[in-house]
Amino acid sequence: EIVMTQSPATLSVSPGERVTLSCRASQSVGRNVAWYQQKPGQAPRFLIYGASTRATGVPARFSGSGSGTEFTLTISSLQSEDLAVYYCQQYDKWPVDTFGQGTKLEI
Amino acid sequence: QVQLQESGPGLVKPSQTLSLTCTVSGDSITRGSYYWSWIRQHPGKGLEWIGYIHSTGHTFYNTSLKSRLTISIDTSKNQFFLNLSSVSAADTAVFYCARLTSSGYDYWGQGTLVTVSS
Repeated sequence: EIVMTQSPATLSVSPGERVTLSCRASQSVGRNVAWYQQKPGQAPRFLIYGASTRATGVPARFSGSGSGTEFTLTISSLQSEDLAVYYCQQYDKWPVDTFGQGTKLEI
Repeated sequence: QVQLQESGPGLVKPSQTLSLTCTVSGDSITRGSYYWSWIRQHPGKGLEWIGYIHSTGHTFYNTSLKSRLTISIDTSKNQFFLNLSSVSAADTAVFYCARLTSSGYDYWGQGTLVTVSS
């Protein structure tokens, strides 16, 4: 089973800051990685797929990059509404997909 | 706009079967090459894939749950279902249904908390 490891577990941030979240796969998954945002009490929201393509309606301040085993989600200028937990997910080894353990953004 | 809504008991006794329904609206559950999925989240924890089903009835299950798990579908009602047997307190979680595309889970239900307790 592929393990997705996110770092850091928690990140202290400030509005307007550029934020970078990391996700590492235990083996190559190509570019078959998605990112999700989850706010307290809400379902996850689909943000990024194919490592770098924004889902419909996702603001341009969110961007993804990477391939193989190293992936990054960047928020170019953090807004207060971006405080959430972010999960990466690999879907390369279908039908088994796995999520990272999440990175929580907090003030 | 596709919408998914989970429904079912919020409290299940240990050793009993947890049963949930996901109702899909805004599109036919048979349209497209989608898999209809269940994902759970233990309190304060991350996301765990449970399994998914295609409109043809083809299923894939998380091996850690496979012996207790049944996912089924009723295309006439645009619904799919989760049955998890022999539950314990370790199964207490928020359960989400979601649509799986070739690129990830694009639509999610709001989630339903199921507590296993006597």
